[in-house]
Formats: sequence, C-alpha cells, structure tokens
Amino acid sequence: GESVGLHLPTLSVQEGDNSIINCAYSNSASDYFIWYKQESGKGPQFIIDIRSNMDKRQGQRVTVLLNKTVKHLSLQIAATQPGDSAVYFCAENIGDTGRRALTFGSGTRLQVQP
Amino acid sequence: GAVVSQHPSRVICKSGTSVKIECRSLDFQATTMFWYRQFPKQSLMLMATSNEGSKATYEQGVEKDKFLINHASLTLSTLTVTSAHPEDSSFYICSARARDRGHSDTQYFGPGTRLTVL
Repeated sequence: GESVGLHLPTLSVQEGDNSIINCAYSNSASDYFIWYKQESGKGPQFIIDIRSNMDKRQGQRVTVLLNKTVKHLSLQIAATQPGDSAVYFCAENIGDTGRRALTFGSGTRLQVQP
Repeated sequence: GAVVSQHPSRVICKSGTSVKIECRSLDFQATTMFWYRQFPKQSLMLMATSNEGSKATYEQGVEKDKFLINHASLTLSTLTVTSAHPEDSSFYICSARARDRGHSDTQYFGPGTRLTVL
C-alpha cells in the first residue's frame, strides 16, 4: 500500500476540550476503517474501528464518524487529556479478504495544552 | 489480550551487516503478519505481507532479496535486513491479524524496532 506522509498537521487543544481529527480516504471500495494512536518511539495502538455499513461508532471517550459519500472519517475525543497527546492515524482496509492490508493516512499530531 | 512483541527494540549495526528482527504474537495465533517501515514524521508504509507457511508478498519497490521475511509459525515472523546500509535506518513495525477473534480484520501492532545503520 501507499501512504503519503511528508508533513504532519498539528492540532493543538486545551485540556478538557473536545478534539476532532479528520481523515480523507481514497478508495471507495474500502470497507473497514481504524483509528490508531502512536506515541513517540512506539507502535500504533488500536483506538476504534468502524465498518462501512455504519456511519457512527462510539467507544470510551471516542467516537468515529464515517461519511462514505465524501470519503471522510473523523475521530472525536471527548474531554481531551494530556495523555491523549500523540500522532493519530486513520487506516483503511484495502485488498481481498486473504490479504487485508492496511493503508495509513498521513497522520495528525494532537498536542494537549494543560 | 492481543499483544504483539518485537525484538530487539533498538539495534545499531555497521553497514554491510545483516540484522534480524522478530515479531511475536504472544497470546493469539496470527494468520497473517505485516511488516511496515516508518521514517521520521511520516506515516507507516507497508513493506510486505506474510502468511504462515507461505512466501511473503512484497509491496512494489521493496526488494525481497534485501528484506527477507520468514513466517515459520502462527506466532512468529522474522524480518532480516541483509547487507544493511545507512538508508535502511528506520523504524520497523510489525502487526498481526488475529485468527478467531471478534475483530478478525483488526491488526495489532508491535512496539517497533529502531534500526540505525552506521
């Protein structure tokens, strides 16, 4: 898969505010989407996923919204905490069932100001 | 549950040497493992997909003779960077797709291996 990631846009929020991180995906055939959190020097950590037959899914403090019409995905984090500071990647599942490789978006750095 | 480990976490080697990185699924069987490479401030780029007991499928532009992948069991995959050069310095991350789990498409990632080639 390909990914474009020459620059990391940054979202800066105050502690306690809600954060919204956006992602545009490319392939209209993608049917599974995941948000990952990556802290410096660590591997990506699964946050939440959503399948293409849904447009919203909620977890603990996080909500993922999927708009297939415009191929847009967003991650909402409620009451953002300093521990939420990290780089967030969306990923889409492309490929046949046997392969199921992920293609990652370019990522967004979330900075939470205390 | 769904823990993936990598070893080593950091490795520094001389140019021309080979380095092996291990990826293990600790509490589940992984039908498929993936290897990614990540350069600083960039996203993850898929290098190859490996299925247990079969040859890995490499992405376009990834040299299979340079990045040897062995998926010998349902819990272990190895990536060997042969004749490493400074441009191979990167963060290598593996992931495993769980078998017989609710989210069967979910990939669980290892903590990554920082390779520095001098």
